[in-house]
Amino acid sequence: DAGVIQSPRHEVTEMGQEVTLRCKPISGHDYLFWYRQTMMRGLELLIYFNNNVPIDDSGMPEDRFSAKMPNASFSTLKIQPSEPRDSAVYFCASSINIQGPNTEAFFGQGTRLTVV
Amino acid sequence: GESVGLHLPTLSVQEGDNSIINCAYSNSASDYFIWYKQESGKGPQFIIDIRSNMDKRQGQRVTVLLNKTVKHLSLQIAATQPGDSAVYFCAENNYGGSQGNLIFGKGTKLSVKP
Repeated sequence: DAGVIQSPRHEVTEMGQEVTLRCKPISGHDYLFWYRQTMMRGLELLIYFNNNVPIDDSGMPEDRFSAKMPNASFSTLKIQPSEPRDSAVYFCASSINIQGPNTEAFFGQGTRLTVV
Repeated sequence: GESVGLHLPTLSVQEGDNSIINCAYSNSASDYFIWYKQESGKGPQFIIDIRSNMDKRQGQRVTVLLNKTVKHLSLQIAATQPGDSAVYFCAENNYGGSQGNLIFGKGTKLSVKP
């Protein structure tokens, strides 16, 4: 398996533009997580899905952020409109379980977003 | 974007020595802990986990120690190698041992001198 695949790896956009980040989880993993990493705040969980259903979105910072998972092999994180303070590395991760055995989350390479 | 960078604590060790990375967690109700390793330009990678009903767990070259009395977690790496150079994060969870809403620490940068 190629692991968790994220695209694009780098995104530079102007303030006010819509940004869409994409993720393909590992096949067979029922859980998908979106994280954001900045130097100031570290690694923060934004939202996670179980079997394509959003379970906890309490980490989503504002209504400008939205995430979807239309099927088991694809998820998007959208920011509209984007702001300079959204600049960060966004990671997608997936796991088989979140409790009990097989809870290890596998992370993608991340998308480095720069909003100018 | 950020105007001020956060300086990570750095641990510098000689190749072949043992490394100990420490982490203080915040929630006494946390019952599940994970150590992650993040190399430059990559996503975090799971190293080892431990549940609150244990105080020690060993993996390959790594050992995690949990002291619930003082809310302290440590990661010991035996015979540290250059490939161990990375930022190490501890993460805690109090969601019944779930990884659903992990809280990550700020990280420690490990630098291995050849």
